[in-house]
Amino acid sequence: GEDVEQSLFLSVREGDSSVINCTYTDSSSTYLYWYKQEPGAGLQLLTYIFSNMDMKQDQRLTVLLNKKDKHLSLRIADTQTGDSAIYFCADLNMFSGGYNKLIFGAGTRLAVHP
Amino acid sequence: GAVVSQHPSWVICKSGTSVKIECRSLDFQATTMFWYRQFPKQSLMLMATSNEGSKATYEQGVEKDKFLINHASLTLSTLTVTSAHPEDSSFYICSAPQGNQPQHFGDGTRLSIL
Repeated sequence: GEDVEQSLFLSVREGDSSVINCTYTDSSSTYLYWYKQEPGAGLQLLTYIFSNMDMKQDQRLTVLLNKKDKHLSLRIADTQTGDSAIYFCADLNMFSGGYNKLIFGAGTRLAVHP
Repeated sequence: GAVVSQHPSWVICKSGTSVKIECRSLDFQATTMFWYRQFPKQSLMLMATSNEGSKATYEQGVEKDKFLINHASLTLSTLTVTSAHPEDSSFYICSAPQGNQPQHFGDGTRLSIL
């Protein structure tokens, strides 16, 4: 089946940039998403990118997509302590049955230290 | 504000009890909703796709009789964990796509079976 992989842990200093990487296997991917999950909470959509785009920027967030290599990254500029959370990469998998589902990576735990 | 409401947020009950979790779309209709399960420090695993007016579609390995799903209206899907046991303790999260927009997630339900 389709698979999404992420590194499990990233530690950065406050004020630095964070880059979280993700690879996927779905060759027919249409949308790729980044979600944030804080402890004990649900998932918050951060941003998403359509598969025919290379880059999307939204304030401190920059998403880069290399469709050839099936590689997605999320860059957080000027990382703050409030950015500490788990970040999930997700691939929208289209099914011929008429519905689609998200395939999630394992999540990257971002720790921001002073 | 939240566009998907999940209730309750926390349940503690005795082994053998059945527990119902509600997922509501706010201000939009959702013919499809998704139910996920998340174990500690792990990713989200799709359990089933809830379809309004028809049977749910379960992922491989998910017991239909154990996890009953009802999608009786365009804004409400329920997940009932029947005769719950300690191994069913987990974090359950629902989501709903809003038209062509990305899926919105509820805040999750933490289920603890004693």
